[in-house]
Amino acid sequence: QVQLVESGGGVVQPGRSLRISCAASGFPFSGYAMHWVRQAPGKGLEWVAFISFDGSNQDYRDSVKGRFTISRDNSQDTLYLQMNSLRVEDTAVYFCARDRTGSSGSLSDWGQGTLVTVSS
Amino acid sequence: DIVMTQSPLSLAVTPGESASISCRSSQSLLHSNGYNYLDWYLQKPGQSPQLLFYLASNRASGVPDRFSGSGAGTDFTLKISRVEAEDVGVYYCMQTLQTPGTFGGGTKVEIK
Repeated sequence: QVQLVESGGGVVQPGRSLRISCAASGFPFSGYAMHWVRQAPGKGLEWVAFISFDGSNQDYRDSVKGRFTISRDNSQDTLYLQMNSLRVEDTAVYFCARDRTGSSGSLSDWGQGTLVTVSS
Repeated sequence: DIVMTQSPLSLAVTPGESASISCRSSQSLLHSNGYNYLDWYLQKPGQSPQLLFYLASNRASGVPDRFSGSGAGTDFTLKISRVEAEDVGVYYCMQTLQTPGTFGGGTKVEIK
């Protein structure tokens, strides 16, 4: 079955960088677009970034543009989110999610999430 | 960005009774292809969200037929008939018509 396992979260100071990963299995990873979605503690869901199946297209919410980079390694079935210039307001559980199709935007499968805490 | 507004904020339901959640968008979610780009998700306590419906009324795999999704344009409804204890959690609608995808604030469903 589809498995998405995030890793790499932790505590980081404001202004520093962190890269989180999502290891995929149980489906042909290179055939699906992928997303990152975050959830601040006790809050709702917020879409963060999208990458097409082949990595040729990316998109971001405005608040992370220029700071976050989504990428993927289809040879390793892994999705990444490089987060630079982190802010306190980036503190959240970050979920990776598989697109239902090529680029429908619907999130058919989710990982368990990794917590990123930005604090001095 | 398209703003998604859900109501009510919370709902307490007696097992076996029905529940209804409303989701309104600030712009029409109707695409030129005839589909409404509206999803429903459920986040059970301590778990990741799970897809319930896509394109407003298409049930995702494994979702019981007690759940139904309806609506078009800017007004959408998720209905749960015969609520069960396992249905507790926070329900979110999400529009996927435009980037960024945006979620409603969530509706918490509890059992009386």
